[in-house]
Amino acid sequence: QKEVEQDPGPLSVPEGAIVSLNCTYSNSAFQYFMWYRQYSRKGPELLMYTYSSGNKEDGRFTAQVDKSSKYISLFIRDSQPSDSATYLCAMSAGAAGNKLTFGGGTRVLVKP
Amino acid sequence: DVKVTQSSRYLVKRTGEKVFLECVQDMDHENMFWYRQDPGLGLRLIYFSYDVKMKEKGDIPEGYSVSREKKERFSLILESASTNQTSMYLCASTTGQIKTQYFGPGTRLLVL
Repeated sequence: QKEVEQDPGPLSVPEGAIVSLNCTYSNSAFQYFMWYRQYSRKGPELLMYTYSSGNKEDGRFTAQVDKSSKYISLFIRDSQPSDSATYLCAMSAGAAGNKLTFGGGTRVLVKP
Repeated sequence: DVKVTQSSRYLVKRTGEKVFLECVQDMDHENMFWYRQDPGLGLRLIYFSYDVKMKEKGDIPEGYSVSREKKERFSLILESASTNQTSMYLCASTTGQIKTQYFGPGTRLLVL
């Protein structure tokens, strides 16, 4: 079983809908949680970063962490076609070197 | 803004060739990473480095080596390229004070 599980999708939504993405993990030592967006044939870019449990909002993006359930979520409000990409969750225990463990990514398609 | 650059976007090599992939970051980050990304397998860590001349094996180091002679530059070497090393190679960097990683644009390597 993988340390971080993420549904590969694809997840297809109409423009303006809320996109809901999530990851589950097994390592209770993870404390730092990230979401990356990756457009086709490009490198991942950091979208959201949270520490420990709780919510964080940045514009149309909201990240949630529930450490008790080992579950993290990313919500995208008012989705746009430009949000079509693969979304990767990543997490770290904060050890030296800041190694990250990634989910496999969810492909999202927002249809105009 | 953090900038991570990779020497080539696309590369075509023959089986048995020695291949060098270079990564440069401009933010004085101590930690640098090399990943490969394959459909269905996600991002897998090949090697990472905490500091100049230091290196640590990641999850899939076989067939690869690395070099870090200067803080800003981290090279990935395929000693004798094989077709199963055809992949997207991503470099990332970070500093000890932050837990996220910043990625380069990636190099698509095709080994024939």
